[in-house]
Amino acid sequence: DAEITQSPRHKITETGRQVTLACHQTWNHNNMFWYRQDLGHGLRLIHYSYGVQDTNKGEVSDGYSVSRSNTEDLPLTLESAASSQTSVYFCASSELLALDSDTQYFGPGTRLTVL
Amino acid sequence: GENVEQHPSTLSVQEGDSAVIKCTYSDSASNYFPWYKQELGKGPQLIIDIRSNVGEKKDQRIAVTLNKTAKHFSLHITETQPEDSAVYFCAESSGGGADGLTFGKGTHLIIQP
Repeated sequence: DAEITQSPRHKITETGRQVTLACHQTWNHNNMFWYRQDLGHGLRLIHYSYGVQDTNKGEVSDGYSVSRSNTEDLPLTLESAASSQTSVYFCASSELLALDSDTQYFGPGTRLTVL
Repeated sequence: GENVEQHPSTLSVQEGDSAVIKCTYSDSASNYFPWYKQELGKGPQLIIDIRSNVGEKKDQRIAVTLNKTAKHFSLHITETQPEDSAVYFCAESSGGGADGLTFGKGTHLIIQP
């Protein structure tokens, strides 16, 4: 079955280190998204991509970057991890089936702790 | 999307009773309104969605209503069961879902046996 996976599921790192979270989907979806989830804030959009070589900033993009070199993967990089980036990160994907159809499917999440 | 307010933050109902969760939004251009269910340790799972050209949608025990004039939409769960216990999120988008979603802060639904 097609699916969306994230790795690692848990990560502990130190302040100032570079961290990359992986997201892989096998649906061949064009659209991919990264969100972070924090208590009291719900989910907030970090970055998104509509296809290979396309990336766009979301609501909370500072300190994060993404790259899209193929359809299946959208890795999220924290250039210099900060304690404020301790969170649960979710990747999602969607496909534009018709003008008004674009359901987003979410991965299982990565819990990141920055010490 | 801009801002989504979700109420209540916690809702406790007796098994078999109905549960209603409400969301309001501020962006007049919003045209896609999904609801997600999140169980502990898992990613959000879409349970139902509605687009701006309809006022109500049903799927078995779950229904969503949309009032575009008042800028609010609601999730209705009837005949609640223990497995309905979870955190529910509303969301909205002005790109038909093709752009990122703006989420409410979530409702913790507790089904009392």
